[in-house]
Amino acid sequence: GAGVSQSPSNKVTEKGKDVELRCDPISGHTALYWYRQSLGQGLEFLIYFQGNSAPDKSGLPSDRFSAERTGGSVSTLTIQRTQQEDSAVYLCASSLYQGEGYTFGSGTRLTVV
Amino acid sequence: AQTVTQSQPEMSVQEAETVTLSCTYDTSESDYYLFWYKQPPSRQMILVIRQEAYKQQNATENRFSVNFQKAAKSFSLKISDSQLGDAAMYFCAYRRNTGNQFYFGTGTSLTVIP
Repeated sequence: GAGVSQSPSNKVTEKGKDVELRCDPISGHTALYWYRQSLGQGLEFLIYFQGNSAPDKSGLPSDRFSAERTGGSVSTLTIQRTQQEDSAVYLCASSLYQGEGYTFGSGTRLTVV
Repeated sequence: AQTVTQSQPEMSVQEAETVTLSCTYDTSESDYYLFWYKQPPSRQMILVIRQEAYKQQNATENRFSVNFQKAAKSFSLKISDSQLGDAAMYFCAYRRNTGNQFYFGTGTSLTVIP
């Protein structure tokens, strides 16, 4: 597609439920990133995929968070047993080359009630 | 560790005037990239300008330019002839040449006054 697409745009979930957030990167972009943006904060790195290499999961805050990227394209970020502190905007970005500027999606605003 | 500091949580500028947003960073690397991103209410982060650390010449993109001071580890963004559409959050970001992730500052909220 022309841009990075994320769905859903907004998600409200009850504490303890699992959620899945989806990211469709720009076609052909080999690098894909997930970031979390909490209210009034900068962007917190979560995970990075590059081609067929093992992902860099160093930013995942707990084992409740996981992500996969199928076929080198679409990525899903899963949060299990959601907590209120998980409420944030989750941003996905992709790039053609490692180190180039990212193209971001519009994010998913997750609210845990 | 790499850190990026934006010391101005909020800034305002009159339409058609010039404003400068500050950014400093901490690194022991010599080869890296610096970026400014704009985030309007739509939430989508938009790349404004990019600077390679090995280049001494300051990057310029139309009304946007940077003042890159490598020794001082400073990377400020100047917006000339400010327009209402420039109102947004602006994030400064750093990336090592060989690293995977970007490090972002906490952002500066820019208001443009008509």
